[in-house]
Amino acid sequence: EPEVTQTPSHQVTQMGQEVILRCVPISNHLYFYWYRQILGQKVEFLVSFYNNEISEKSEIFDDQFSVERPDGSNFTLKIRSTKLEDSAMYFCASRTGRANYGYTFGSGTRLTVV
Amino acid sequence: EDKVVQSPLSLVVHEGDTVTLNCSYEVTNFRSLLWYKQEKKAPTFLFMLTSSGIEKKSGRLSSILDKKELFSILNITATQTGDSAVYLCARISNFGNEKLTFGTGTRLTIIP
Repeated sequence: EPEVTQTPSHQVTQMGQEVILRCVPISNHLYFYWYRQILGQKVEFLVSFYNNEISEKSEIFDDQFSVERPDGSNFTLKIRSTKLEDSAMYFCASRTGRANYGYTFGSGTRLTVV
Repeated sequence: EDKVVQSPLSLVVHEGDTVTLNCSYEVTNFRSLLWYKQEKKAPTFLFMLTSSGIEKKSGRLSSILDKKELFSILNITATQTGDSAVYLCARISNFGNEKLTFGTGTRLTIIP
């Protein structure tokens, strides 16, 4: 069964450092998303990406965040200057453009900012 | 805000029991409701519900949507220890990008 692949599975970084979280969505999917889940809290939408541009972003997705699909297969989330409160599990998800579907989530990257 | 409220927040039952998990949502720009199971990491897809009153089943799990009362339930019969997980409900908005708005989840623990 096709999978959404995320790397790394766990990243520890110092406050103020830049991190790049990587995702390889399912190859025939058209819509791509990043969600995050702070420990003990709900899964929150960050950003959606379609046709090589951001289609919607949440209030959380401020100027320190950016997304890219640099080569047609990878989908990355960059956090420019990490803060302690960025510590969370970050999930990438993708879906086809068809009406009846379920999102497919990656297994997540646990980001720990120290 | 597209609110999704799940209840109970946690539930502990014995193996073999039947459980019902609840999810209510706001109607604004509603398209569909999804149920996910989250064990250790990524949510895994269970059901997608778009039409009211049509039960979806997968083994011991079933789910139904009531678009008049704006809620959905997830039933699990003859529970097993492997059903222990957080069950997430999420609504899909009716805009083109169709982001998911999640509830806080119900933590289900099955005691052998």
